[in-house]
Amino acid sequence: GDSVTQMEGPVTLSEEAFLTINCTYTATGYPSLFWYVQYPGEGLQLLLKATKADDKGSNKGFEATYRKETTSFHLEKGSVQVSDSAVYFCALILTGGGNKLTFGTGTQLKVEL
Amino acid sequence: GAVVSQHPSWVICKSGTSVKIECRSLDFQATTMFWYRQFPKQSLMLMATSNEGSKATYEQGVEKDKFLINHASLTLSTLTVTSAHPEDSSFYICSAYKGGVSTDTQYFGPGTRLTVL
Repeated sequence: GDSVTQMEGPVTLSEEAFLTINCTYTATGYPSLFWYVQYPGEGLQLLLKATKADDKGSNKGFEATYRKETTSFHLEKGSVQVSDSAVYFCALILTGGGNKLTFGTGTQLKVEL
Repeated sequence: GAVVSQHPSWVICKSGTSVKIECRSLDFQATTMFWYRQFPKQSLMLMATSNEGSKATYEQGVEKDKFLINHASLTLSTLTVTSAHPEDSSFYICSAYKGGVSTDTQYFGPGTRLTVL
């Protein structure tokens, strides 16, 4: 079945450090890929998305590139801030899959001064 | 935009009572809405898929008589936790699917924290 694998957290970084959160997927078709962010006590917010191979999604300094050859969608940010502390979820929707999201387990990011 | 609201944001109830949670898409029509449950420090568990005008599709292991879902209109879905017990305490999150070439994705509500005493 379809699945998403994320690196385990928590990830703790100093402010202005470079961030990478790995995400790989397994899918029988051609999925759209997403990163969602969840701040403490809140629901999920769409951070960025990519719908086809080689697409790059970007938002708020975060970016991720859809790599079909490595089935990956790693999240990166050049300089993190304390306000980026949250849980990040990688997810996919399979075309023709009833619009259901398949989530990774989430990676908690903590940014310290 | 694509805004989804949930009401209430938190609720405390006594064991044995029923609780209704509303999920609304405020600025778009959603033929499909999803209900998730999230335990502390865990990922979201899909409970059911709610389609406007038809019965909800429940995921394996989710009691349909326990968690009643009604998708009354293209902008409103409700989840009723019937005869709630402490083990039903959780964070419930809904999402609404917005289709389209550039918007194809789910948008999430802010969640409802249910505490059953």
